[in-house]
Amino acid sequence: KQEVTQIPAALSVPEGENLVLNCSFTDSAIYNLQWFRQDPGKGLTSLLLIQSSQREQTSGRLNASLDKSSGRSTLYIAASQPGDSATYLCAVRDNYGQNFVFGPGTRLSVLP
Amino acid sequence: GAGVSQSPSNKVTEKGKDVELRCDPISGHTALYWYRQSLGQGLEFLIYFQGNSAPDKSGLPSDRFSAERTGGSVSTLTIQRTQQEDSAVYLCASSFTGVSTEAFFGQGTRLTVV
Repeated sequence: KQEVTQIPAALSVPEGENLVLNCSFTDSAIYNLQWFRQDPGKGLTSLLLIQSSQREQTSGRLNASLDKSSGRSTLYIAASQPGDSATYLCAVRDNYGQNFVFGPGTRLSVLP
Repeated sequence: GAGVSQSPSNKVTEKGKDVELRCDPISGHTALYWYRQSLGQGLEFLIYFQGNSAPDKSGLPSDRFSAERTGGSVSTLTIQRTQQEDSAVYLCASSFTGVSTEAFFGQGTRLTVV
């Protein structure tokens, strides 16, 4: 059974810092991995989708990498801003089912 | 519409009542998912629809939960005889066909059972 973990559970940084969020999964047989952000009381907003054949994806200040063989992905946020404060979730779509398996999330606070 | 739409956004119901939650996926998306997010918990998979195929119901927690998708578009999640432990945010997502496609989520329905 696929399990997804995220480290750290919570992170607080001053504005302007670069930061890295980590996601690990136990079964490397995945189709893709998707990063989301969730603001309090809101749904999920898709940030980046990485296919199993890809190593990284970039969107603006965000860069996500994928090392499928080691079961790891990182989300790099450059020059963090208070508006980046949210919970960041990673989810994998594995070869055994069509649904996504989510990690517990990292709660990020960027202080002005 | 431009995104996945869910209604109602909030629902308060008495224990023992039935509730229906609605999801309107993005136009053209053939795959539709329901997830549940309890307070302080991660997202729990409930059910998955793909086109005209039989849905994957493996995540439904009990036989009080059911879902249907009419005409390959709108989906309704029904919870019968609600219990307090059913209180959660119910999230719907949709995507195009294929396991490599990006999923988009709605804003969720916050269900409170009192």
